[in-house]
Amino acid sequence: QKEVEQDPGPLSVPEGAIVSLNCTYSNSAFQYFMWYRQYSRKGPELLMYTYSSGNKEDGRFTAQVDKSSKYISLFIRDSQPSDSATYLCAMSEASGGYNKLIFGAGTRLAVHP
Amino acid sequence: DGGITQSPKYLFRKEGQNVTLSCEQNLNHDAMYWYRQDPGQGLRLIYYSQIVNDFQKGDIAEGYSVSREKKESFPLTVTSAQKNPTAFYLCASSISPGETQYFGPGTRLLVL
Repeated sequence: QKEVEQDPGPLSVPEGAIVSLNCTYSNSAFQYFMWYRQYSRKGPELLMYTYSSGNKEDGRFTAQVDKSSKYISLFIRDSQPSDSATYLCAMSEASGGYNKLIFGAGTRLAVHP
Repeated sequence: DGGITQSPKYLFRKEGQNVTLSCEQNLNHDAMYWYRQDPGQGLRLIYYSQIVNDFQKGDIAEGYSVSREKKESFPLTVTSAQKNPTAFYLCASSISPGETQYFGPGTRLLVL
């Protein structure tokens, strides 16, 4: 079993839809959770960073962490064609010192006009 | 203009050849990382460096080598011992070990 599982998609939605992207994990020691967006043939860029459980909102993006279920989500409201990309979740046990970042395989999202 | 640069964008390797991928950052970050990305798989850590003149093996270090002689630079050499080198290689850096990692644009390595 992989430490982090992520549905690879592709996920195809119409413009304006609400998108839900999810990851599950097995290591209960994970405390730091990140979402990266990666456009085709480009490096990942950090979208959201959260610590422990709860929600964090930034514009059209909301990151949600449920540590009891070992489940994290990224919601995109009013999705745009420019949101079409691969979304990678990543997590680590702690900050400070070296703590390995574990990535999901990524979910490909296509938002069509 | 601060950031992480990787070169070249595309690199072709012949059988038995060693090739070196460049990674430079002007963010004054202490820690740097190399990842490999294959289709359908998450990023896998090859090597990381927490500070100048120090580096550690990641999960898939066999067939790769690195150096960290300067804070700004962390080149990766793909040696002939790496039998399946075709992949997208990503360099990242963080202000200190364990902090948020920021990625460069990547180098795509192809075997002729």
